[in-house]
Order: sequence, then C-alpha cells, then structure tokens
Amino acid sequence: SQQGEEDPQALSIQEGENATMNCSYKTSINNLQWYRQNSGRGLVHLILIRSNEREKHSGRLRVTLDTSKKSSSLLITASRAADTASYFCATDFPGTYKYIFGTGTRLKVLA
Amino acid sequence: ETGVTQSPTHLIKTRGQQVTLRCSSQSGHNTVSWYQQALGQGPQFIFQYYREEENGRGNFPPRFSGLQFPNYSSELNVNALELDDSALYLCASSRTPDGYYGYTFGSGTRLTVV
Repeated sequence: SQQGEEDPQALSIQEGENATMNCSYKTSINNLQWYRQNSGRGLVHLILIRSNEREKHSGRLRVTLDTSKKSSSLLITASRAADTASYFCATDFPGTYKYIFGTGTRLKVLA
Repeated sequence: ETGVTQSPTHLIKTRGQQVTLRCSSQSGHNTVSWYQQALGQGPQFIFQYYREEENGRGNFPPRFSGLQFPNYSSELNVNALELDDSALYLCASSRTPDGYYGYTFGSGTRLTVV
C-alpha cells in the first residue's frame, strides 16, 4: 500500500518560477526523504528531514515537515528546465528499514 | 567514488522463466535495497540486505529472493515470472540500513515479461 501521496500529480511552470509539491502520509515516521527521477531511470536523493525537524534547506530546495498534519512540502525556487523530472517523497516505517514511496509529482519546467 | 551499477539494463523474458538481476553497491556502503517500479507508479520496496542477511521485506511473494555477497554487491532472483513482473527494478545502496544519509540508486533494469 502507498504510505505517501504527492500532490499535485503534475505541475507545469515557467522557468524562473517557484515549484511547490506536497506529500501526505498515514502513519508516524522517523524520517522523510525527497527524491528526483529523470525519465524513469534511477532516483537521486535530494534531502532527508527527520521527524523532530521542521524545515531544511539545500541550495534551491526547501523542505518543510508538519508531523501533526502528517505532511511535507518541497519548494524548488527559481526553477530551471533541468529541474523537469518526477519528484517522490519516501517515508519510513518506524521499527523497520522499509521506505514507502508515493506516486510522485511530474514537474515540467518550460524554457 | 563509483556509484551503483546494475546489470543488465534491459531484459526480455518469457512467462514462467527465471531471472537474475545484479547490483554493485557504492564504495563504502554495506546495505542494499531492491525496489520494483511499475510504469507511472512509485517504487515498491521488495527487500533489503545488510551484511549478507535479509534485513526487511515488503509485500512480495517468496519467488522474489535475493543474495548479498561479502563485497556487498547483490542479486535479485525472480522465479516463475508473471506478466505483472514487468517493471523497472531499482537497486539502492546506503551507508546504514535506515538510509539516514540517503540511498544511492542505480539506473535500474527494465524487465519485460512476455
């Protein structure tokens, strides 16, 4: 079963704009990770946020976590055509080493 | 440092056959996880190997099995292939089983069962 669910399913923006995608999950977690996937190939790790953290930054990426709402958001600022990809959140099941991925947000950045 | 390498990149098999997929983990990583990704879906966790032992399993039948070798490379074996096994199979290595430093994914093996 899917633990995480990304929203929106697809997003199309102009280069230079900000892109925001959201992830909701069902059970408590230790960690939440965001990954990018280009054209159905391997996933690239973007950022990990722990359950006791509320916000993390990495370059043009900003991730927030609200454990009370069981949700996270990924903000990409000043987007570029190269950011075009699918973005997935992945949450762990406490007590296991299993990460559950959502269905992803397909981002298209138009030049 | 080298990343995660998977072989082969593409494979076509007939229903009922058996297949072995291979993965070389990134240098310094002792944990390998395998995922199945159907078209348009997120990756689904199959199992994880840590120091040559299975360290967790998802909702996959026993015909999905694996191995991890002393050099931390890994194999995924699937017996009695079914049409629904057609998918992208991803291998990910990590420094620790909990993936705290992130998982490094390979480019995957695209398996087609006909």
